[in-house]
Amino acid sequence: EAEVAQSPRYKITEKSQAVAFWCDPISGHATLYWYRQILGQGPELLVQFQDESVVDDSQLPKDRFSAERLKGVDSTLKIQPAELGDSAMYLCASSGSAAKQSTDTQYFGPGTRLTVL
Amino acid sequence: DQQVKQNSPSLSVQEGRISILNCDYTNSMFDYFLWYKKYPAEGPTFLISISSIKDKNEDGRFTVFLNKSAKHLSLHIVPSQPGDSAVYFCAASAPGGADGLTFGKGTHLIIQP
Repeated sequence: EAEVAQSPRYKITEKSQAVAFWCDPISGHATLYWYRQILGQGPELLVQFQDESVVDDSQLPKDRFSAERLKGVDSTLKIQPAELGDSAMYLCASSGSAAKQSTDTQYFGPGTRLTVL
Repeated sequence: DQQVKQNSPSLSVQEGRISILNCDYTNSMFDYFLWYKKYPAEGPTFLISISSIKDKNEDGRFTVFLNKSAKHLSLHIVPSQPGDSAVYFCAASAPGGADGLTFGKGTHLIIQP
């Protein structure tokens, strides 16, 4: 069964360091999403890609966060420098629509648990 | 301001009985609703969805009901099984799919033997 892959599964870093997360969506899925989930809350969208283009990054703290999907397949989310408040689960999801359709189901990867010390 | 609300942080149900999880939304632009199940340290797993043109969708033990006038949806699980113990998230999206999914805070379902 096709799955969204993410790595690493866990990351511990000190504040002010740089961290990067990687996501490989389900093969053929044009839309890729990065979410952040703080404990006790639901996931919140950080950035959405359609192929290699950013569709929505309005909730991405651009002073320290960056995301790219250069070839329209896998994606990297980077935080530099990391802050204590960035400790959270970072989730990647993908969906199969080639155009924006809200009826498309998003499938999530296992996530990366980030702890900033 | 939360656009998707799950007002019950936790719910305890006896094995074999029906579990009913509730969700309310405020954004009338939402036209697609989904339920996800999440175990600790794992990503959300898609369970079932419903389009705003329907009022019910069923898949095995899971049924989702949508009441558009009340801006309310519910997930019914019957019969409840021990493996159903998890956190359940309600999510919604607007036409066009931009802005991704808007999630509620989740309800922790505990199935008691």
